[in-house]
Amino acid sequence: AIRMTQSPSSLSASTGDRVTITCRASQGISSYLAWYQQKPGKAPKLLIYAASTLQSGVPSRFSGSGSGTDFTLTISCLQSEDFATYYCQQYYSYPSITFGQGTRLEIK
Amino acid sequence: EVQLVESGGGLVQPGGSLRLSCAASGFTFSSYEMNWVRQAPGKGLEWVSYISSSGSTIYYADSVKGRFTISRDNAKNSLYLQMNSLRAEDTAVYYCARESYYYDSRYMDVWGKGTTVTVSS
Repeated sequence: AIRMTQSPSSLSASTGDRVTITCRASQGISSYLAWYQQKPGKAPKLLIYAASTLQSGVPSRFSGSGSGTDFTLTISCLQSEDFATYYCQQYYSYPSITFGQGTRLEIK
Repeated sequence: EVQLVESGGGLVQPGGSLRLSCAASGFTFSSYEMNWVRQAPGKGLEWVSYISSSGSTIYYADSVKGRFTISRDNAKNSLYLQMNSLRAEDTAVYYCARESYYYDSRYMDVWGKGTTVTVSS
């Protein structure tokens, strides 16, 4: 199974900061990567698919990049509602889908 | 409004069974592939099972293969997960999620709020 490793596991930042979360695949996955945001007690929400395509309705301060094994999710100017846990997910080894372990973004 | 609503969770003893349901509304359910994804307490997301739009193609994670059965009733706009031989490690919030695709890239764009399954004696 393809293993997805996110870094950091947790991150403290302030409103207005620019933050980057990294996701590394244990083998090449082309651009078959999605990013999700999850707030406590809520369902995950799709942010980005195909590594860099912003889901409809998601603010443009979110962006994704990468291909192969290394991917990043960037939030350009943190807002209070962005503090949450973020997960990457690979679809390359479909149907054996795997998620990263998550990155918890906390208020500094 | 596009919506998925899960139900059927609860407390069950190890070795027991439970059937989860997911009611879809606001979109043409029969046109979409569907998934179950779970999240153990304090843990990350784990894909559980997939079913094609017609129900003809089904996949399971190794952790549930032989114990769980996914199905759907397109006439009732509903997705199901029959869970047998439940173990403590199956304790989780179970989400149903709609699968969409863009060219050959797939993603889960609509999620339910989840239903909680607790396996304990």
